[in-house]
Amino acid sequence: DIQMTQSPSSLSASVGDRVTITCRASQSISSYLNWYQQKPGKAPKLLIYAASSLQSGVPSRFSGSGSGTDFTLTISSLQPEDFATYYCQQSYSTPWVTFGPGTKVDIK
Amino acid sequence: EVQLVESGGGLVQPGGSLRLSCAASGFTVSSNYMSWVRQAPGKGLEWVSVIYSGGSTYYADSVKGRFTISRDNSKNTLYLQMNSLRAEDTAVYYCARDFTVTTRWFDPWGQGTLVTVSS
Repeated sequence: DIQMTQSPSSLSASVGDRVTITCRASQSISSYLNWYQQKPGKAPKLLIYAASSLQSGVPSRFSGSGSGTDFTLTISSLQPEDFATYYCQQSYSTPWVTFGPGTKVDIK
Repeated sequence: EVQLVESGGGLVQPGGSLRLSCAASGFTVSSNYMSWVRQAPGKGLEWVSVIYSGGSTYYADSVKGRFTISRDNSKNTLYLQMNSLRAEDTAVYYCARDFTVTTRWFDPWGQGTLVTVSS
């Protein structure tokens, strides 16, 4: 099984901050990595697919990078609506996919 | 507009059964991969099952042999039949279009339906 880890598990940041979240796979997953945002009581929302492709309608302050085992999600300038939990997800081991444990971003 | 609406959640006793439904609009369920993903209270996301456009089905080890994914093409609806339910199956269950090109991602998601397994 491919295990996904995320760091940090939580962070506190201010509006306007640059935020970086890391996701690591237990083995190489090429670029088979996606990022989701989830707000309390809501369904997850796709932000980034294939490691670095921005989903249509997602603000350009979100970006993704990485390949192999190490990936990052960056928010260039944190906005009030960005306070949420972020999950990475691998699909290399399709059909079985796994999610990271999540990173909660809250207000400092 | 592409939309998914789940229903069928509720309170069920351990060992009981429940069937979840996911009605799609704006796209054809049978032409897409479709997945169920769950989230236990206060926990992260766990993929449960997928049905391919060709009809093949796959399950997480935690539900294999107890859950069955299916679809009704005439109703454009996805289902999850859950049998032999356990307390650890308590979660919000989401259906999602399982979009596959070179990789797989989930978009969109339904609003979720809560399943509570308790006596």
